[in-house]
Amino acid sequence: DAGVIQSPRHEVTEMGQEVTLRCKPISGHNSLFWYRQTMMRGLELLIYFNNNVPIDDSGMPEDRFSAKMPNASFSTLKIQPSEPRDSAVYFCASSPPRGSPLHFGNGTRLTVT
Amino acid sequence: GENVEQHPSTLSVQEGDSAVIKCTYSDSASNYFPWYKQELGKGPQLIIDIRSNVGEKKDQRIAVTLNKTAKHFSLHITETQPEDSAVYFCAASRTSGTYKYIFGTGTRLKVLA
Repeated sequence: DAGVIQSPRHEVTEMGQEVTLRCKPISGHNSLFWYRQTMMRGLELLIYFNNNVPIDDSGMPEDRFSAKMPNASFSTLKIQPSEPRDSAVYFCASSPPRGSPLHFGNGTRLTVT
Repeated sequence: GENVEQHPSTLSVQEGDSAVIKCTYSDSASNYFPWYKQELGKGPQLIIDIRSNVGEKKDQRIAVTLNKTAKHFSLHITETQPEDSAVYFCAASRTSGTYKYIFGTGTRLKVLA
């Protein structure tokens, strides 16, 4: 089991550019979560999917953020246009059915200059 | 909305001493309570979890207690070692209905050799 795989590990971009973060969940897991981690706000849930369908996106900060899950083995989080305040570590996590622990990837550290 | 409060935010203990981290949750429907350990540059990793039908669970040096009436749960680490130094997060979740983990704000534990 390779675990949850995120790419890239680090992303540095200029304000206004489009950023795409990628996630491959653990095979067989049917729920996928995107979190953002900052010193000020801790771990914030952005969106979660169940069986590839977005269930709750109330944590998505604004329209600049979008997430997709075209199939059970891949998800993307896109920021367009990016802003310096989007700088954070973004984590993807997956889990089997409810009541099971989340398995986190090692995150993407995003820096927007 | 739902929230989880976690205390203390930082904790320093001498090697061999015990460490206790406490969390309080607001959603009375929460019934699954995992604890995660996050080391530098990595995603949070599950270390122990407890469900609402038990009051205590132990795994070697780590134990978790749950008081559903008071909506409190705690992590206890005994005989601490330098490798226990990390950031610890508690979380609360439902296993039916809305399925999303709410994380505490984290505790930075430092074990002094």
